[in-house]
Amino acid sequence: DIQMTQSPSSLSASVGDRVTITCRASQNIFSHLNWYQQKPGKAPKLLIYAASNLQSGVPSRFSGSESGADFTLTISSLQPEDFATFYCQQSYSTPRTFGPGTKVDIK
Amino acid sequence: QVQLQESGPGLVKPSQTLSLTCTVSGGSISSGTYLWSWIRQPAGKGLEWIGHISSSGSTNYNPSLKSRVTISPDTSKNQFSLKLSSVTAADTAVYHCARDYISGWYGTDYWGQGTLVTVSS
Repeated sequence: DIQMTQSPSSLSASVGDRVTITCRASQNIFSHLNWYQQKPGKAPKLLIYAASNLQSGVPSRFSGSESGADFTLTISSLQPEDFATFYCQQSYSTPRTFGPGTKVDIK
Repeated sequence: QVQLQESGPGLVKPSQTLSLTCTVSGGSISSGTYLWSWIRQPAGKGLEWIGHISSSGSTNYNPSLKSRVTISPDTSKNQFSLKLSSVTAADTAVYHCARDYISGWYGTDYWGQGTLVTVSS
């Protein structure tokens, strides 16, 4: 199985802050990396697919990038509705595996 | 607009079989583009992929659950189902059905709201 790691596991930020979350796969996943946002009691919502592609309807303050083995989710200016838990997931092979999540809360 | 809705018992006794159904509207499970998935999340924990089924009926399961899992389609009702046998308290979780892509390029883009299944006597 491909193992996914995320850092940090949690962070506190203020509205307007730039936030960066990093994900790493245990082997090459050839850009098959997705990012999800999950709010309490809700299903995950797809934000970014294939490392850097913005899902339809997702605000442009969300962006994804990759550099070598590292994948990054950036929120350029954190909004009140963005406080949530974020997960990365590889879709290169089965089993599909998720990172452990990064909880973003209010400072 | 694609919608997925899970249904099934919210309480299952230990050692019994958990059975859930996902009803899909706004799209066909017979489409060759997609994979139809089950994903679960214990309270306060992360997401665990259980498995998926393609339009041809081909399945892939998480090795950690493979001996206990069956995912099957009902194309006449545009549904797919999950069966998990020999459940224990560790199987207590919110279970989501979702749509994935065979290519793996486009993420899991539609999810059901999830249904809580509790394993308890």
